[in-house]
Amino acid sequence: ELKVEQNPLFLSMQEGKNYTIYCNYSTTSDRLYWYRQDPGKSLESLFVLLSNGAVKQEGRLMASLDTKARLSTLHITAAVHDLSATYFCAVDKKSVGLEYGNKLVFGAGTILRVKS
Amino acid sequence: SQTIHQWPATLVQPVGSPLSLECTVEGTSNPNLYWYRQAAGRGLQLLFYSVGIGQISSEVPQNLSASRPQDRQFILSSKKLLLSDSGFYLCAWRALLTSYTFGSGTRLTVV
Repeated sequence: ELKVEQNPLFLSMQEGKNYTIYCNYSTTSDRLYWYRQDPGKSLESLFVLLSNGAVKQEGRLMASLDTKARLSTLHITAAVHDLSATYFCAVDKKSVGLEYGNKLVFGAGTILRVKS
Repeated sequence: SQTIHQWPATLVQPVGSPLSLECTVEGTSNPNLYWYRQAAGRGLQLLFYSVGIGQISSEVPQNLSASRPQDRQFILSSKKLLLSDSGFYLCAWRALLTSYTFGSGTRLTVV
């Protein structure tokens, strides 16, 4: 059974500081996703990581993937208040026997609070 | 472009009442469709997924059911709601070689 573990589950940061959120998963997978969720809202796609060594950056966020270690990181650089949200990683799990019946398995989420 | 519609946005229902949440996708054919539930503002649990009309896979035993009467329509139902059915319900779709896209969600409160 595919398990996805995120840590930390809660992160309180000062503006301007750097930090990293970690995502470990238990079995091999084709893709890893990072999503952002604001309170009461749906999920916003941040990054899709497709291969070992993949690195993607958008603004103050940078995501990377190490498929051998089954680890992805989301690095926050010089945090600002607008980054306060819950961040989820999710891993594609291919269903045996289905053409492309993949399922997305989520980590528990990291609640990020950036303090002014 | 592809869009996903989910309604209603919020719903307050009494215990024991029926439920029907609808999700439709535009701009794509034969997508995979998914229903997720998020309880207590935390993790997302996959409830059902479908790879085609009439094909439903259930991930966890529960008080809910799903149907896919048309290619781009996915419905989540219950005959009698329980308090534990409260949560934020998200519909998502995915086609071959695309990412997952989520609807805006339905916040269900069972009272």
